[in-house]
Amino acid sequence: AQTVTQSQPEMSVQEAETVTLSCTYDTSENNYYLFWYKQPPSRQMILVIRQEAYKQQNATENRFSVNFQKAAKSFSLKISDSQLGDTAMYFCALNNNDMRFGAGTRLTVKP
Amino acid sequence: EAGVTQSPTHLIKTRGQQATLRCSPISGHTSVYWYQQALGLGLQFLLWYDEGEERNRGNFPPRFSGRQFPNYSSELNVNALELEDSALYLCASSLRPGFFYGYTFGSGTRLTVV
Repeated sequence: AQTVTQSQPEMSVQEAETVTLSCTYDTSENNYYLFWYKQPPSRQMILVIRQEAYKQQNATENRFSVNFQKAAKSFSLKISDSQLGDTAMYFCALNNNDMRFGAGTRLTVKP
Repeated sequence: EAGVTQSPTHLIKTRGQQATLRCSPISGHTSVYWYQQALGLGLQFLLWYDEGEERNRGNFPPRFSGRQFPNYSSELNVNALELEDSALYLCASSLRPGFFYGYTFGSGTRLTVV
């Protein structure tokens, strides 16, 4: 079974500062992919960043980066220079054949 | 290129009725996934279709069912609606089963059961 756990239901950060969202997962597979999705109030799920489990190098997409610790089964998301538009629900997801999501972290960026 | 489209946007049904939700994937995508997102909660995996076949289903009762058509569009049927079925139902598609490219999501159907 695949499970994804996000232990921070809500977080807030001041505009321009850095915030890290935590995610742990469990799977018996060796080949899988990890994702962070963003869901703003518009409800549209938007892919933020993805990581291949067999790559040790952490993925980076502009202000978004991950800290992937395969042995610890940890996959945290760091948002640098937070912007008001980053306010949204953030979901961590694990994909082997079908994608399973964590419960989400509601992030609020304050001006 | 059109994204994943879902219809209707909103649906109001009475307890005990049946609901049908529809999804058109991105052109060329063969896999379609359905998720339930109850208010304030995460996405719960419902069903996965690929090449017209049901490949996997989540921990939901049999009254949640669906199908995928030859053009890869899909519909989700919920029979004998219960109040707790009220949720946002999201459809997603991918080029091939899951993996690196992730999923593209539709905007969802908000189902309200009264």
